[in-house]
Formats: sequence, structure tokens, C-alpha cells
Amino acid sequence: DAKTTQPPSMDCAEGRAANLPCNHSTISGNEYVYWYRQIHSQGPQYIIHGLKNNETNEMASLIITEDRKSSTLILPHATLRDTAVYYCIVRVFNQGAQKLVFGQGTRLTINP
Amino acid sequence: DVKVTQSSRYLVKRTGEKVFLECVQDMDHENMFWYRQDPGLGLRLIYFSYDVKMKEKGDIPEGYSVSREKKERFSLILESASTNQTSMYLCASSLRQGGADTQYFGPGTRLTVL
Repeated sequence: DAKTTQPPSMDCAEGRAANLPCNHSTISGNEYVYWYRQIHSQGPQYIIHGLKNNETNEMASLIITEDRKSSTLILPHATLRDTAVYYCIVRVFNQGAQKLVFGQGTRLTINP
Repeated sequence: DVKVTQSSRYLVKRTGEKVFLECVQDMDHENMFWYRQDPGLGLRLIYFSYDVKMKEKGDIPEGYSVSREKKERFSLILESASTNQTSMYLCASSLRQGGADTQYFGPGTRLTVL
């Protein structure tokens, strides 16, 4: 699986959009970009994933650059409950079960 | 909504005890996983199962075994608990389908072995 690079920490004001970048310059054509987050002492929570096109769901938006070498997760109106470690992962297409490998992630702090 | 539940949030056991961690998912997922998470080491896969009665070793299976008698339930067994098995244990499940499999996690069990 391709490696990802994320900033170790970010701050965002409550109510503003939080934009979390991820670099995955060695991504290959059949790898998906996934985002998870983990709030302290809880299990990881799936947020969103995409292959080529931008994606949006009730939690967030995922913007993938045209060359697919980087992406941005957008939380449109951050709340204090969005304070967590956010993990960007790229994973190969596979029919079978495959493990998740988390990097260091970005520790996002939402400030009141 | 996918729901993955784990039998305990916190557990304290003594060295040498046999420990059972239970995981149940309600979305008819074929794949189930057991990970442990330790500071600085990230997620490490212990075992996974892609069907009832099927199991595969992950990266760190030593000292653990698993059981999957029903599709919705995946149990992790510590045959003889040791202090180095003190950790956060996370269960996940996913649907087996073409494309990337999205894994959904339970809340975790924080196990302390004294």
C-alpha cells in the first residue's frame, strides 16, 4: 500500500471548515483513499473513501486532486466533538479481507 | 447504521488466566478482524476471518486464538494472559465485495493484565 504523509497536528475554530491535507504521491491506479478518525480511547470511525472523484457524505467531503497524488478531507462546520486523530490511508483493490494500517495521522483540535 | 459491539469496555485479568473477548456485528458482514492498538505501534492485526469457521493469522497471532462459529460473532481468546498483552483490543467487520472493503470498528476493550 502507498505511504501517506499528514501534518502531525492542526487547529481549527469551532464552526469553521477544517481542511486536513494528505499527500500520497506514490498512489497507484487501483488504490482507494480512505479517511478514518479516532477520538481518544474509542475505536476508529470510518469517515469517507474515494478513488478518483470527489466524494461527499453526511460527515465530510473528500477532494482528490486530478493526478491523485494528494487529497483533502473537509469537515464543513467543525464542532468540539470533531477533536480527534484523523488518519489518511491508501488501500489497494482486493477481493479479500485486508488489514488496515494507520500511520501517525493528524491530531485535529477544535477550539471554542 | 453498522453496529459492532464488544463485550466489555474495560477488563482486568491476572497473569495466566484464560480471557475471552467477544465481538458481534449486526450487518451480515463476511469479514471480521481483531486488532490491538498500543501507543507508538499503531494498529496491529492479530487474526481475521472471512467466513464462518474460517480464520487467518495476522501479523501477531502468538498467544491468541479465535473462534467464529456464527457469522455475526468473532471471539478472541487469550489462552494464558500475560502482562505484555495489556492493550486496547479492537474488533472490526467489513462486507466482502468488489473494491475496497470498508472496515467498521467496535468501541474497543481496554484489557489490563496484572
